[in-house]
Amino acid sequence: ETGVTQSPTHLIKTRGQQVTLRCSSQSGHNTVSWYQQALGQGPQFIFQYYREEENGRGNFPPRFSGLQFPNYSSELNVNALELDDSALYLCASSLLRGNDRGNEQYFGPGTRLTVT
Amino acid sequence: AQTVTQSQPEMSVQEAETVTLSCTYDTSENNYYLFWYKQPPSRQMILVIRQEAYKQQNATENRFSVNFQKAAKSFSLKISDSQLGDTAMYFCAFMNNNDMRFGAGTRLTVKP
Repeated sequence: ETGVTQSPTHLIKTRGQQVTLRCSSQSGHNTVSWYQQALGQGPQFIFQYYREEENGRGNFPPRFSGLQFPNYSSELNVNALELDDSALYLCASSLLRGNDRGNEQYFGPGTRLTVT
Repeated sequence: AQTVTQSQPEMSVQEAETVTLSCTYDTSENNYYLFWYKQPPSRQMILVIRQEAYKQQNATENRFSVNFQKAAKSFSLKISDSQLGDTAMYFCAFMNNNDMRFGAGTRLTVKP
């Protein structure tokens, strides 16, 4: 069983640019959630994808968008980068079953994004 | 909106001693889930323990146990026989309808 992986590990971008972060979910999982963790803070929920559809979204602007692929891997895209987007971006996968609302999430190591 | 509060930014404990980390939350929901996650300096978030709100029995995982007080909306984590490897950030999290909210974290240092 492989765990959650993310790429790249680190990334430096300039304000106004666009970035794509990637996540491979744990085998057997069908749901991917993305979080933004600013330095010294807890993770903030960006959105979740289930069966290639957005399945919930936090308080983030539309320039944060995502995709989930048939193999359940996922991408997070951020357009028009701002300095405040500098953070650790965490991906978490889980297995959503029926009405179970408490599926445990397994996190990847994160991508550290720096916007200059 | 659900909020999670961890009132202890930093704590320390001697190796082999017991420490309790506090967490409170605010919600109008009746069915939800609570978690404690550990984030070591390597930064990968690891699930420590999970509690279903409909269960009265407190969850236990080896040296880790929780004190879940639903009426008080409190969910503390007790670590017994603390080990050096327990040094990490600890996050309390609330989940309802797949929307997970985290507290700001408590930095725990285990001293030899």
